[in-house]
Amino acid sequence: DSGVTQTPKHLITATGQRVTLRCSPRSGDLSVYWYQQSLDQGLQFLIHYYNGEERAKGNILERFSAQQFPDLHSELNLSSLELGDSALYFCASSEAVGGGPYGYTFGSGTRLTVV
Amino acid sequence: DAKTTQPPSMDCAEGRAANLPCNHSTISGNEYVYWYRQIHSQGPQYIIHGLKNNETNEMASLIITEDRKSSTLILPHATLRDTAVYYCIVRVATSSARQLTFGSGTQLTVLP
Repeated sequence: DSGVTQTPKHLITATGQRVTLRCSPRSGDLSVYWYQQSLDQGLQFLIHYYNGEERAKGNILERFSAQQFPDLHSELNLSSLELGDSALYFCASSEAVGGGPYGYTFGSGTRLTVV
Repeated sequence: DAKTTQPPSMDCAEGRAANLPCNHSTISGNEYVYWYRQIHSQGPQYIIHGLKNNETNEMASLIITEDRKSSTLILPHATLRDTAVYYCIVRVATSSARQLTFGSGTQLTVLP
């Protein structure tokens, strides 16, 4: 157990629908990062939040949005889902903006399947 | 962040040392070398990082050349559970650092 909790572990939904993925960072970590990994693809950075504020955006689609709440958990919202959105979505946390002395701690991911 | 080059795949016999190379010829003086691994479909796992000196922890050793243009991750006694994609990432480690950027990594297969 890495200390980063992602729910749900698996999600199957239809095209056009909207889903919310949840991430609880490791205790004490203020930064949350979201990554997408499509089948046989690399890890693509989506967005970074630090203590409730958005700090950086990667190749995140306009249909996707995220937020970090006062208790530091984060949610990634995916809307108007398409087949190509099927992927593993990982959340990572760190104690600082830059990753702290031991880098990032990743969760076990949410596998999203759009049918 | 400096670009890294890793071989796409490597094999290693179980019980032997696995030596994974990484080239980072454009590394800057304030950039660290980080290694992560991703066992199939699991979240990436931090292994080790270093700046100039060689580093060792319970998982692995990191050897950085004197000119810092390349490094080698060493798994001293590889097991089947070490089969994974290994990522070498070069980046600064300050409060203003950006997110981790993952390349293609090296698929290490440990053979019985």
